[in-house]
Amino acid sequence: NAGVTQTPKFRVLKTGQSMTLLCAQDMNHEYMYWYRQDPGMGLRLIHYSVGEGTTAKGEVPDGYNVSRLKKQNFLLGLESAAPSQTSVYFCASSYSSVHPDTQYFGPGTRLTVL
Amino acid sequence: AQKITQTQPGMFVQEKEAVTLDCTYDTSDQSYGLFWYKQPSSGEMIFLIYQGSYDEQNATEGRYSLNFQKARKSANLVISASQLGDSAMYFCAMREPGDGQNFVFGPGTRLSVLP
Repeated sequence: NAGVTQTPKFRVLKTGQSMTLLCAQDMNHEYMYWYRQDPGMGLRLIHYSVGEGTTAKGEVPDGYNVSRLKKQNFLLGLESAAPSQTSVYFCASSYSSVHPDTQYFGPGTRLTVL
Repeated sequence: AQKITQTQPGMFVQEKEAVTLDCTYDTSDQSYGLFWYKQPSSGEMIFLIYQGSYDEQNATEGRYSLNFQKARKSANLVISASQLGDSAMYFCAMREPGDGQNFVFGPGTRLSVLP
């Protein structure tokens, strides 16, 4: 069981470039999430999805777009990268919003925008 | 206002001793969940323990236990018999009722276990 996987693990972009981060889970979870973690801080929610074909904004959605075309995949896109988007990005999934609702995390993607 | 407060940016503990990591939370809901995650230097987020707001007993998972004081809105993590491998960042998190976005993390506490 792979759990939650993220591709790529590392990436360096120039300002203005675009990229897509892929998150995949094999646990048949309904809910999926994208977080960013900046140095010395906890995780902040970017976007989330409560099921295939649905997405919603989290705490810090500006500059990002997401898509959930298949239940097992959740894509995070940066259309025009900015240095402020340098961060570690974590994907997570969970079964539902009903307690207990543990989120299971991927290994993270370290993104640097120059 | 901060939903989750972790007042200890860094903690030191001697190997084999117990340590308590503090977490206080702010919510007006009656039904909520509290979580602790560990983030070692390798970066992954590892789920440790869960406490539901209606659970009457404190949660325990091996060497981890959660000291839940509902009236004080605190959910402290207790690690017994610390090991060198426990050195990591520890995050407290809360889940409130509602759709997926109601999951918030604290700023974390860095625990260092000394040999």
